[in-house]
Amino acid sequence: QSVLTQPPSASGAPGQRVTISCSGSISNIGSNSLNWYQQLPGTAPKLLIYNNSQRPSGVPDRFSGSKSGTSASLAISGLQSEDEADYYCAAWDDSLNGHVFGTGTKVTVL
Amino acid sequence: EVQLVESGGGSIQPGGSLRLSCAASGFTFSNYAMSWVRQAPGKGLEWVSSISVSGDSTYHADSVKGRFTISRDNSKNTLYMQMHSLRAEDTAIYYCAKTRGSCSGGTCSYRFDYWGQGALVTVSS
Repeated sequence: QSVLTQPPSASGAPGQRVTISCSGSISNIGSNSLNWYQQLPGTAPKLLIYNNSQRPSGVPDRFSGSKSGTSASLAISGLQSEDEADYYCAAWDDSLNGHVFGTGTKVTVL
Repeated sequence: EVQLVESGGGSIQPGGSLRLSCAASGFTFSNYAMSWVRQAPGKGLEWVSSISVSGDSTYHADSVKGRFTISRDNSKNTLYMQMHSLRAEDTAIYYCAKTRGSCSGGTCSYRFDYWGQGALVTVSS
């Protein structure tokens, strides 16, 4: 069972901006850093954003992350067809003493 | 280039046992924690287990506690997951993931920065 809540889907036309939310609690997002993972169809997940807003080398600056309180969001600006994927947020949970993932959001480029 | 290659997956009957391996290369394996994350068919990601650099500390999700054991052999650059008493709900792709980060000042900043391609485990009679 996922502890972090995300909308099941999001969509936008090429070039538009899409935002995905991730809602948690004080024991996870409220206390610890939040990461985002991108999973392209049929492939393994890939780290997209770490420590709330940092991008690993090679990730385009079209992707940005933010966190406030017990919620976080991922924004994709200048949406491209290759951005069609599932996106997951994740964080350490102090109460569970383990990692927790979001429910996942499928992004569709119209 | 970091590479993580899982092996050992397959089909197994309920109640059976299986051991997954993850061969690591392209980084100093003994300097990083490692984890297993699984994904049931058509479902989301679920963290399963993590292990510290030395292997002295292990963490398991409640769903597998007492049945799965994570371990590592730093001399062989290999991560393992021993799975016992397998259930149908354990059917999933199992990914090994290089794990970075730490806890400091009450804030934990962990991330899975590299993932393997996954190993499929199917539990069915």
